[in-house]
Amino acid sequence: AQSVTQLDSHVSVSEGTPVLLRCNYSSSYSPSLFWYVQHPNKGLQLLLKYTSAATLVKGINGFEAEFKKSETSFHLTKPSAHMSDAAEYFCVVGSARQLTFGSGTQLTVLP
Amino acid sequence: DTGVSQDPRHKITKRGQNVTFRCDPISEHNRLYWYRQTLGQGPEFLTYFQNEAQLEKSRLLSDRFSAERPKGSFSTLEIQRTEQGDSAMYLCASSPQGDYQETQYFGPGTRLLVL
Repeated sequence: AQSVTQLDSHVSVSEGTPVLLRCNYSSSYSPSLFWYVQHPNKGLQLLLKYTSAATLVKGINGFEAEFKKSETSFHLTKPSAHMSDAAEYFCVVGSARQLTFGSGTQLTVLP
Repeated sequence: DTGVSQDPRHKITKRGQNVTFRCDPISEHNRLYWYRQTLGQGPEFLTYFQNEAQLEKSRLLSDRFSAERPKGSFSTLEIQRTEQGDSAMYLCASSPQGDYQETQYFGPGTRLLVL
């Protein structure tokens, strides 16, 4: 069984300040973990994925995430937020047969 | 076009009617998935195909739902006797087969409204 908990349903940051979106996972085996982003009226886009090659994963648009097995966490960060980062972000744990999504974090970027 | 496509993009129907959605995966991908996303929630897995074989079905997929992938290419998802609770975004994704968890690429979705 696998599950994902996104600890914040909404996060607001000012443009140019750091972003932290928190995610904890539960999996009975070594997981594959992902972050997807969903902009309004657009499809889900992969930001980054972890598949045990390296614990610090770099993604698109300056995002990165660190896999911490001891904490069962996979938090998403970005050093400096941009207005275009405003969207819904999903932390996801995956197997070959299905993905399990968290409930999402809505990121608001204030000017 | 190299992305996943879905048709129609929007569907409005009356309760009790049947609806069918189509998904065309990325051409070289032999894995295909269906998900359902309700407002304010993350997508929920419905079913998974490898080529034409349906290998996994969620308990969310009641007997009113049926999915097919007859030739291992496009897939259809049919909902019979629609209910208002079926109103949601239906997402299709595809991935190539590999040794590790492969990235799933999502289509734009079909938004269903049942009146």
